[in-house]
Amino acid sequence: AQSVAQPEDQVNVAEGNPLTVKCTYSVSGNPYLFWYVQYPNRGLQFLLKYITGDNLVKGSYGFEAEFNKSQTSFHLKKPSALVSDSALYFCAVRDIRGGSYIPTFGRGTSLIVHP
Amino acid sequence: SAVISQKPSRDICQRGTSLTIQCQVDSQVTMMFWYRQQPGQSLTLIATANQGSEATYESGFVIDKFPISRPNLTFSTLTVSNMSPEDSSIYLCSVAGQSYNEQFFGPGTRLTVL
Repeated sequence: AQSVAQPEDQVNVAEGNPLTVKCTYSVSGNPYLFWYVQYPNRGLQFLLKYITGDNLVKGSYGFEAEFNKSQTSFHLKKPSALVSDSALYFCAVRDIRGGSYIPTFGRGTSLIVHP
Repeated sequence: SAVISQKPSRDICQRGTSLTIQCQVDSQVTMMFWYRQQPGQSLTLIATANQGSEATYESGFVIDKFPISRPNLTFSTLTVSNMSPEDSSIYLCSVAGQSYNEQFFGPGTRLTVL
């Protein structure tokens, strides 16, 4: 089965500093990788995806993610954090169950950006 | 992208009762998905609901506890039956994008069982 791991429960960063939220994956075959964000009291929002092509993927709200095949990682990054980026971030990998494409989510990382 | 609404947005229920959560999508979709997010946890898929057929449940979830209806291509309901405090969670409805890569989620239903 496909899986992703998010090694950090929480990441703290000061506003204006670069941020990184880590994700590693374990898949058979080519990975389809995603990042989602969950703001307080809201559902998940899709941020970006890696299917194929450039290893650096750009997404919504200034976020980007770097696919690294040798390290089996797909870390989420942003050059300059905002307080409004504080949220729960989920890494996910596309899996197949019952004939349907289903994302399998990591446990989530809480990002806290301090003013 | 799809716009998904859920009702209710939150509820507080007594143990032993049941709650039905509604999910409405602004476009026709083949498959709808129901997830549970327990406090401080990741998302766990409960079941996949296809229109016109029985829902497909993941391991650990059964139809008697979580009956699902899918009467048409834009609507689904999930019932949490005979609730206990362990059912306190956020329940999320989801649909797949056209390429079946990304998914779109409703705002969730926050359920508290006393």
